[in-house]
Amino acid sequence: SQTIHQWPATLVQPVGSPLSLECTVEGTSNPNLYWYRQAAGRGLQLLFYSVGIGQISSEVPQNLSASRPQDRQFILSSKKLLLSDSGFYLCAWVTLGTGGNTIYFGEGSWLTVV
Amino acid sequence: ELKVEQNPLFLSMQEGKNYTIYCNYSTTSDRLYWYRQDPGKSLESLFVLLSNGAVKQEGRLMASLDTKARLSTLHITAAVHDLSATYFCAGDGDNTDKLIFGTGTRLQVFP
Repeated sequence: SQTIHQWPATLVQPVGSPLSLECTVEGTSNPNLYWYRQAAGRGLQLLFYSVGIGQISSEVPQNLSASRPQDRQFILSSKKLLLSDSGFYLCAWVTLGTGGNTIYFGEGSWLTVV
Repeated sequence: ELKVEQNPLFLSMQEGKNYTIYCNYSTTSDRLYWYRQDPGKSLESLFVLLSNGAVKQEGRLMASLDTKARLSTLHITAAVHDLSATYFCAGDGDNTDKLIFGTGTRLQVFP
């Protein structure tokens, strides 16, 4: 079966520290992968998406970066976190089809920058 | 680029009442999606609307799509407390590689 996992689920980190969130997908190959952020009480903001290994599209200029070292692995990183990076981060995987795209979300990662 | 707007942003309603959440989008979007998010949780898919005039129903929720008006609606019939959640609409515009989400509508149903 097809599943998507992301971790860690919750983390609290000081300003200026690095960040690494990881997302992996099972049961499919060459998926389209996405990172979204949801600030407290806000909507979802698309941060990055990737249609293949090493291919990253950035939607919003910021101090975050993404990498796709393997087909089913998508990593969100930062070298130095800002307070404004706090939020709920969601990894997602989309299957494209004529019957509409199907998007699967990971469990989410709560990041609090202090 | 596609922009998606929802209203209202927050909705508090009594059990048993009906209400409609509206989703407007700025450019052509052949597909429109509705999701539900419980507090602190990930998103759950509710509906995928594929064509003009599409209507889908699941329990007390019914979604419709008018591509000419660039409008989708999520109608709630006889609300119950279990429907309390945040509801998002999303479209893929002319780029099927990504979904753009609305701001969400936080629904609170009280007795």
